Amino acid sequence: DTGVSQNPRHKITKRGQNVTFRCDPISEHNRLYWYRQTLGQGPEFLTYFQNEAQLEKSRLLSDRFSAERPKGSFSTLEIQRTEQGDSAMYLCASSYHRPTSGRKNNEQFFGPGTRLTVL
Amino acid sequence: AQSVTQLGSHVSVSEGALVLLRCNYSSSVPPYLFWYVQYPNQGLQLLLKYTTGATLVKGINGFEAEFKKSETSFHLTKPSAHMSDAAEYFCAVTLMFSGGYNKLIFGAGTRLAVHP
Repeated sequence: DTGVSQNPRHKITKRGQNVTFRCDPISEHNRLYWYRQTLGQGPEFLTYFQNEAQLEKSRLLSDRFSAERPKGSFSTLEIQRTEQGDSAMYLCASSYHRPTSGRKNNEQFFGPGTRLTVL
Repeated sequence: AQSVTQLGSHVSVSEGALVLLRCNYSSSVPPYLFWYVQYPNQGLQLLLKYTTGATLVKGINGFEAEFKKSETSFHLTKPSAHMSDAAEYFCAVTLMFSGGYNKLIFGAGTRLAVHP
């Protein structure tokens, strides 16, 4: 399977603990996105990378959240001192961005998500 | 700022009936619009997208959507529902930047139920 993969698929933690999620994008994709989806809502943008550079962060990404993509391949999203309000599905997506391609397609492909439950 | 409103959080149809899922958008510049489908415990799959050109867009699984600028709408339709269409559907909008588009802004979603 050459799609976007995310691990773990499910994570249950106690309030105050730290958690880390991993996303492996499609291998040739240079852009990687993180979204958060709470129950009954659509995904909300958190942040994205082009290669290893983090180009944009949403206001939703508080100081307790940090994302990295150290070698421009896989990415990690860490949440420190988790709160019950952090319970959500965390989705990762990747795309191939060609700066000189004009209006060429760079569709975002989504992974299956990591469902976080904070007790 | 861009936003998306999906009218109706739940839609129920009979198998074989017309499916109509409504999406209205707000954007200060010409938008790029998408419909995604999400099955339980899975990620999102792109159904179709409108970028430029023909306003009637055909997607996978027999779905299509029409971009109507005057109505700021991008409703999703399928002539005949199948049981396998039961899922959650999300409308999304983005802006096109040089070389491609960026983050997606999603609506709250519409859960489609199909009954025999």
